[in-house]
Amino acid sequence: DQQVKQNSPSLSVQEGRISILNCDYTNSMFDYFLWYKKYPAEGPTFLISISSIKDKNEDGRFTVFLNKSAKHLSLHIVPSQPGDSAVYFCAASRRGGRRALTFGSGTRLQVQP
Amino acid sequence: DGGITQSPKYLFRKEGQNVTLSCEQNLNHDAMYWYRQDPGQGLRLIYYSQIVNDFQKGDIAEGYSVSREKKESFPLTVTSAQKNPTAFYLCASSMNSGVKEETQYFGPGTRLLVL
Repeated sequence: DQQVKQNSPSLSVQEGRISILNCDYTNSMFDYFLWYKKYPAEGPTFLISISSIKDKNEDGRFTVFLNKSAKHLSLHIVPSQPGDSAVYFCAASRRGGRRALTFGSGTRLQVQP
Repeated sequence: DGGITQSPKYLFRKEGQNVTLSCEQNLNHDAMYWYRQDPGQGLRLIYYSQIVNDFQKGDIAEGYSVSREKKESFPLTVTSAQKNPTAFYLCASSMNSGVKEETQYFGPGTRLLVL
């Protein structure tokens, strides 16, 4: 049972345009959400996070939106740059119990020059 | 320079052999984690430790063992009981400060291949 889902395995956008990566979750106990960026054969790099008490968090070109009622979050990258090309993972942690993360399967973003 | 190191970068295992993957951190983090990534999939939790001398099984612990004798170190042993060990292994750590919203930071990973 996949509790965190990234239904788009890949996304291609033009440089300078907006990239929107989506993530859905099923476990209502999740209360902290993170996005990681990963290059092949490297560890994931933390990008941005959001607590369930917020609906938006912004850091430079990256903005994460959380819609709790829909159990949906999205990562917006504006403007997209070729260096943003990587696999992006959505992850979630839940209140109580373990703090380990539950990951989605990732979305490969390709930004075309 | 604080960070998480994993060694080796590549590891080859023969049938029936146990191998140990190293993970060291100098971030003064209390909590450490091991994840496994398979092609086209997300990361899955193998084991985690929130404090020295204590660790818990994750979602796919069968065929793996860990120890946490020092705060800085969390080695993972892939035993011969793990029938499909070929994967990319990632170690992570976090502060475990009691604040529920904690970010985990990852090492560079070890790729394990079976000969």
